[in-house]
Amino acid sequence: NAGVTQTPKFQVLKTGQSMTLQCAQDMNHNSMYWYRQDPGMGLRLIYYSASEGTTDKGEVPNGYNVSRLNKREFSLRLESAAPSQTSVYFCASSEAATEVAYGYTFGSGTRLTVV
Amino acid sequence: AQSVTQPDIHITVSEGASLELRCNYSYGATPYLFWYVQSPGQGLQLLLKYFSGDTLVQGIKGFEAEFKRSQSSFNLRKPSVHWSDAAEYFCAVRNYGQNFVFGPGTRLSVLP
Repeated sequence: NAGVTQTPKFQVLKTGQSMTLQCAQDMNHNSMYWYRQDPGMGLRLIYYSASEGTTDKGEVPNGYNVSRLNKREFSLRLESAAPSQTSVYFCASSEAATEVAYGYTFGSGTRLTVV
Repeated sequence: AQSVTQPDIHITVSEGASLELRCNYSYGATPYLFWYVQSPGQGLQLLLKYFSGDTLVQGIKGFEAEFKRSQSSFNLRKPSVHWSDAAEYFCAVRNYGQNFVFGPGTRLSVLP
């Protein structure tokens, strides 16, 4: 089925470890996003990529880096994980021409725990 | 700065009862307005959206929402709740060319 695929679904890290969250979409969307979801905070934008080759900071970029590897893939990297980064991470994609009508398409999330 | 509030963190209703989830926004102009639903362990799914025109919009799964400019509100309603509606609901706003701003979410529990 067409959509946004995130890997892994679950991950436990120790403080200071690094990891990369993967995201791929097969809808030929130009724009991709990384959000984190915390209780009572809704979704907060970490980074986004409006098109292949560009990335921009969102609301909460500190402690994260991203790579838009190609049009399909947008990865999020934690270089030195901290307990404050325990969260559920969502990747989303959209097409500028239709996103106002259809919103974003979200992946099913990665639940990350940093101990 | 634009913001979205959802005053109710958690709502419990009985199956078959009516539902209203509140959403208020703070914005300089009328933004595009959206409601998303998140079922347990899933990503967000678009329920409905408002851009302009008729202030009462219909969405999927029998949901509707009404835009009230004077109250800066976009409340979500359903006349008869089903057990499968138990989920978390997010209100979101955006302007053209800008990113979404999401509310904190309202968790809906449904009693049999």
